[in-house]
Amino acid sequence: QSVLTQPPSVSGAPGQRVTISCTGSSSNIGAGYDVHWYQQLPGIAPKLLIYDNSHRPSGVPDRFSGSKSGTSASLAISGLQAEDDADYYCHSYDSSLSGSVFGGGTKLTVL
Amino acid sequence: QLQLQESGPGLVKPSETLSLTCNVSGDSISSSSHCWAWIRQPPGKGLEWIGSLCYRGNSYSNPSLKSRVTMFVDASKNLFSLRLTSGTAADTAVFYCARHQALSLTAPFDAWGQGTLVTVSS
Repeated sequence: QSVLTQPPSVSGAPGQRVTISCTGSSSNIGAGYDVHWYQQLPGIAPKLLIYDNSHRPSGVPDRFSGSKSGTSASLAISGLQAEDDADYYCHSYDSSLSGSVFGGGTKLTVL
Repeated sequence: QLQLQESGPGLVKPSETLSLTCNVSGDSISSSSHCWAWIRQPPGKGLEWIGSLCYRGNSYSNPSLKSRVTMFVDASKNLFSLRLTSGTAADTAVFYCARHQALSLTAPFDAWGQGTLVTVSS
């Protein structure tokens, strides 16, 4: 059972917009710690997609956006493309564990 | 250009110690700008933080693994290492080394190694 909760799967057709939620608690997201998002293609190491809730590293398309409110965060992907078919993980810091925690991951299927 | 590369045995017998090394190029392990981390991913499952090393070798580990984890830095070789004792089949996973974006445990992981599969089996 992951400390951060994500839906196991989401799907959308090319061109559509999807969102992936990440729900935490008062010891992590709700305590004000930033949320980061990673994209993992099959057989490849995760790649930082969004950091500090809503910032994109250089090279990440602006189709990807992030937000945070209360004890939850969301990743939105607009204008879905076939190459977005991947697993997505949220990540934050938990004060009661004194370390990093991840969501269980969400499999995005582009139909 | 920053690169991280994990190395170590791909097969470990049950009850034995799993030892991995992360060779870093393109950045100095001993700089005070970043923490360095180990993360694992069992086959078909999600990511699990194992622990992080920060300035002057201060280490922090997942409470669920703390009693079995040792991490250390070899600044002369610009690498950091992980030892996980008393291996069981549940430790079978792809192990990644990664860099925190800043000298903080709350910072994201902005660079990752390619990962190395370690199987615990007799």
